[in-house]
Amino acid sequence: KNQVEQSPQSLIILEGKNCTLQCNYTVSPFSNLRWYKQDTGRGPVSLTIMTFSENTKSNGRYTATLDADTKQSSLHITASQLSDSASYICVVSPNAGNNRKLIWGLGTSLAVNP
Amino acid sequence: DTGVSQDPRHKITKRGQNVTFRCDPISEHNRLYWYRQTLGQGPEFLTYFQNEAQLEKSRLLSDRFSAERPKGSFSTLEIQRTEQGDSAMYLCASNLGASGNEQFFGPGTRLTVL
Repeated sequence: KNQVEQSPQSLIILEGKNCTLQCNYTVSPFSNLRWYKQDTGRGPVSLTIMTFSENTKSNGRYTATLDADTKQSSLHITASQLSDSASYICVVSPNAGNNRKLIWGLGTSLAVNP
Repeated sequence: DTGVSQDPRHKITKRGQNVTFRCDPISEHNRLYWYRQTLGQGPEFLTYFQNEAQLEKSRLLSDRFSAERPKGSFSTLEIQRTEQGDSAMYLCASNLGASGNEQFFGPGTRLTVL
């Protein structure tokens, strides 16, 4: 069964600290993996998208890694800010050219406290 | 703001009433998607358009739901005879070119059926 599992389920950190969120997937075939940030009551915003051949991709203070052999990804947030408080969702696309069959994780809820 | 916009942002209705939501995609995007998201879950695919053609509908989309994109630009999603189970966030997304390309989500319409 195609699944995306994320850990931890929730995380609280102090402003300025770094953190790493994990994503394990059992999706086959595999086309790409995406990380989204979703604020409460808002639509998801894309942070990174990585294909099979990419190991790491950065977007400002966000750095995503991908190990396609172990089917694991991580999202590292550096020097966290209060505005980073949100849900971070890992999404795997099993088919190139098909956004209808995305497999969504349940997200990690991050709270950044002052 | 040149992103995806949705209107209204919030809608409260009584059971049995009809509601209609609007989505304006990014102007040059030819593909438009509707998703439904309930609390703590990832978005579930409902339907998508390529230009004005509705190419796929999920089995989640009962006959009370209808979507249109008459001129290949904005889209509407109508729910007839609403039920309490329809309460959810309705998200619209758009992208350009191949349907596996990165999607851009709107802020969503939060529907509450009393």
